[in-house]
Amino acid sequence: DADVTQTPRNRITKTGKRIMLECSQTKGHDRMYWYRQDPGLGLRLIYYSFDVKDINKGEISDGYSVSRQAQAKFSLSLESAIPNQTALYFCATSDRWTEQFFGPGTRLTVL
Amino acid sequence: QKEVEQDPGPLSVPEGAIVSLNCTYSNSAFQYFMWYRQYSRKGPELLMYTYSSGNKEDGRFTAQVDKSSKYISLFIRDSQPSDSATYLCAMREGSSNTGKLIFGQGTTLQVKP
Repeated sequence: DADVTQTPRNRITKTGKRIMLECSQTKGHDRMYWYRQDPGLGLRLIYYSFDVKDINKGEISDGYSVSRQAQAKFSLSLESAIPNQTALYFCATSDRWTEQFFGPGTRLTVL
Repeated sequence: QKEVEQDPGPLSVPEGAIVSLNCTYSNSAFQYFMWYRQYSRKGPELLMYTYSSGNKEDGRFTAQVDKSSKYISLFIRDSQPSDSATYLCAMREGSSNTGKLIFGQGTTLQVKP
């Protein structure tokens, strides 16, 4: 089984809808991250969390919110989706500073 | 200006060629330098990391860091079609306790048989 899983893998939605992307990990890491990837822009950090009581904004947090339900679960929500939030979203985990392990990604399309 | 710049390519080379991938950066506080490989429809995976300046070799891959020039490179020797992927450089500050990485845009590499 994959260490970092993301659901759904693909999602098409309409402008204004609320969307939740979920991430689960079995690596036992405390740190979890949400990134979005756009062509030509690389990976940009949306939010990160060091533990269930610690949530921090990344460089592009506007329009997004997160919830750390447990050490192993970190969800990303788009309260009112807009077309420029169409992107590939990745969840990642790490143990302190060491390498980040990425999930398979969620391809989100907002029409 | 982005903190980390990487030519997105695409870069196409014949099998067996030596590939050079590069990133430049502006933040002199960066101390940890990483290269991630991302296959199509997959998440990135760590390929190599280097602390501070110097070279690191792992099989056909060599990572170089030149902090004086704020320039890092990844060399791939005897490139194979299986090396076809997007390569992302990533960096973080030495004093950072957050683990936050700054990524380059990624370079798409195609190795033709």
